[in-house]
Amino acid sequence: GAVVSQHPSRVICKSGTSVKIECRSLDFQATTMFWYRQFPKKSLMLMATSNEGSKATYEQGVEKDKFLINHASLTLSTLTVTSAHPEDSSFYICSAPEGAYGYTFGSGTRLTVV
Amino acid sequence: DAKTTHPPSMDCAEGRAANLPCNHSTISGNEYVYWYRQSHSQGPQYIIHGLKNNETNEMASLIITEDRKSSTLILPHATLRDTAVYYCILSGGSSNTGKLIFGQGTTLQVKP
Repeated sequence: GAVVSQHPSRVICKSGTSVKIECRSLDFQATTMFWYRQFPKKSLMLMATSNEGSKATYEQGVEKDKFLINHASLTLSTLTVTSAHPEDSSFYICSAPEGAYGYTFGSGTRLTVV
Repeated sequence: DAKTTHPPSMDCAEGRAANLPCNHSTISGNEYVYWYRQSHSQGPQYIIHGLKNNETNEMASLIITEDRKSSTLILPHATLRDTAVYYCILSGGSSNTGKLIFGQGTTLQVKP
């Protein structure tokens, strides 16, 4: 089936620095990708929808300037957590619609801000 | 908000069938029922989806009631590797935004 490759799988960064997370659709084109975050023992929370060639759409309560999303091509979407703080520590997951299976998810990125 | 509800947790003996229920009483005409599961620290994995008819694949079976207000995911012979959080999600339909909104899911614990 379709694969979305997400990198890095784990990252530790210092407070105040920025971290970029990449998601690539390997064998299909993704004009849309979705970004989620997940706290321990909680469900996935949709953060934003990235659209190739246009601005991302953010869910209510998600800071646009904190979580920068870029959908540079039909196979690549990136999420940059800017000026990260410990409260940004979370599990971030991307997904893309793919006809046969509905949606394909990346393997997730565990961000720890120290 | 998620449009589905299911029990927060279930146990199942290894080798037995696991039946996971889901209520989606407000499902609209062309919305599909999707099931995903998530193991610890991994992204969700697609299991199966359906619209009206029952569906079966190599992983599971999906039984959708005639009124489409509820469904059951069946894992015919549960293994320890099936321990995960299972999510029932609606997607598609006339108000389709393309988004998948996750509810709290059912934590299935398969026991030896």
